[in-house]
Amino acid sequence: EIVLTQSPGTLSLSPGERATLSCRASQSVSSSYLAWYQQKPGQAPRLLIYGASSRATGIPDRFSGSGSGTDFTLTISRLEPEDFAVYYCQQYGSFPITFGQGTRLEIK
Amino acid sequence: QVQLQESGPGLVKPSETLSLTCAVSGYSISSGYYWGWIRQPPGKGLEWIGSIYHSGSTYYNPSLKSRVTISVDTSKNQFSLKLSSVTAADTAVYYCARLINSGYDYGWFDPWGQGTLVTVSS
Repeated sequence: EIVLTQSPGTLSLSPGERATLSCRASQSVSSSYLAWYQQKPGQAPRLLIYGASSRATGIPDRFSGSGSGTDFTLTISRLEPEDFAVYYCQQYGSFPITFGQGTRLEIK
Repeated sequence: QVQLQESGPGLVKPSETLSLTCAVSGYSISSGYYWGWIRQPPGKGLEWIGSIYHSGSTYYNPSLKSRVTISVDTSKNQFSLKLSSVTAADTAVYYCARLINSGYDYGWFDPWGQGTLVTVSS
C-alpha cells in the first residue's frame, strides 16, 4: 500500500500570499496518478487536480499541481478568502487507493 | 450534471450491519464509470472503502474486504454499501462518488455526494 504523507500539517498564511502544499509517497506513484481535493467544514471534498497537474472543470487557475515519482506539490498562487480549507492528496495508480492525512490551510 | 445522494440509517448498533444507498441523477449508471464509497471518521482523514462497475464488478479495500459488500441496481440507478459487524470505529461520514479513470488506473473521485453521518452506538 502506498502511504501518502502531507506536509505541513497546518499552514498559516494571509490572503494574497502563495501557498505550497506537499504530498510525498512511500513509493513511486505510477504515471503521476495523483489527485488533490479541497474540503471545507461540513462539505464533501471537491476535486481540484488530477493526473498531478490537470485542473478539474471550473477550478481557478490560481490552483496548480506539479511533481512526479514520490514528490508532488499543490500551489495556490494568490490566496483568496475562500481557499482556506483542508487539502487532501490521493493516489490512484496502485491498489488500494489511498489518501494523505490532509493539510489544513488557515488564515494567519 | 451528475449528482449523488446518500441515504440510510444514521444510527447502527454494534455488531449489526450498516446499509447505505447512493442514488445517482443526471447520468445513467449503465452507461459506464466505476462508482465508489469513501468514509471519514469525525475530525479525521479519508478512507476508500470500495468501488463497483455497472456490470457488478467490484474491488474493495483489503482493510475492510471481509466485512464489505457493494452492489448496484441499474434499474433504480443506484448502488449500495453494506458493512457488517460494525464497531464504534466505523462511526464516520460516508460519501459516495463517481470514479473517473484513464483505463490504466483506479481513478479519482468526481463528483461526491454530500455525505451521511453514521454513528455506531447502542
